Amino acid sequence: GESVGLHLPTLSVQEGDNSIINCAYSNSASDYFIWYKQESGKGPQFIIDIRSNMDKRQGQRVTVLLNKTVKHLSLQIAATQPGDSAVYFCAENMGSSGGSYIPTFGRGTSLIVHP
Amino acid sequence: EAGVAQSPRYKIIEKRQSVAFWCNPISGHATLYWYQQILGQGPKLLIQFQNNGVVDDSQLPKDRFSAERLKGVDSTLKIQPAKLEDSAVYLCASSIGTGRNEKLFFGSGTQLSVL
Repeated sequence: GESVGLHLPTLSVQEGDNSIINCAYSNSASDYFIWYKQESGKGPQFIIDIRSNMDKRQGQRVTVLLNKTVKHLSLQIAATQPGDSAVYFCAENMGSSGGSYIPTFGRGTSLIVHP
Repeated sequence: EAGVAQSPRYKIIEKRQSVAFWCNPISGHATLYWYQQILGQGPKLLIQFQNNGVVDDSQLPKDRFSAERLKGVDSTLKIQPAKLEDSAVYLCASSIGTGRNEKLFFGSGTQLSVL
């Protein structure tokens, strides 16, 4: 089954507001997480990543927070713009029996930005 | 830098017919992935290659799906015979390796409709 999951399937915000997208994971051994953005008709695109030895990581207008105690991470988007409208996935690289790592995706949250 | 190339962009077939998808990864990327994305869901891994070898195909329905990467560069995914439930977007991705901290680069996908 899926090891990552998202709390809300759809999030609607006004342009200029801050957006927060949440993700829960079940494998306490997970130590690397990635957020991807998928626009309509395109493949997912890397946004930001975080390793388990960090609690917070910042990018351009995006911040990812990791709470290992409750196995939860969030993606915060500052001053949300219409171009941020997309589906956002959190993913973790899960170890496989063959020794490699398999990127595993949750269901996704659809972010809708209203002008 | 050229991204991951996929073709065709769209395909419509009838059930029980065969279909093939093609992918050319980013130059120098050793690892290639095929994901299936059903509408409203996150991408689900079908198969992972490292060069021309299969790393993981545990979720590939092998009675009807097959994939190859004979020369360790481009890859084809085939479905024979197709079922209605195979309607989905088939995404190809590549990464430099199979390590814990790999980031995936996706193509735009092939949207398959099985009628």
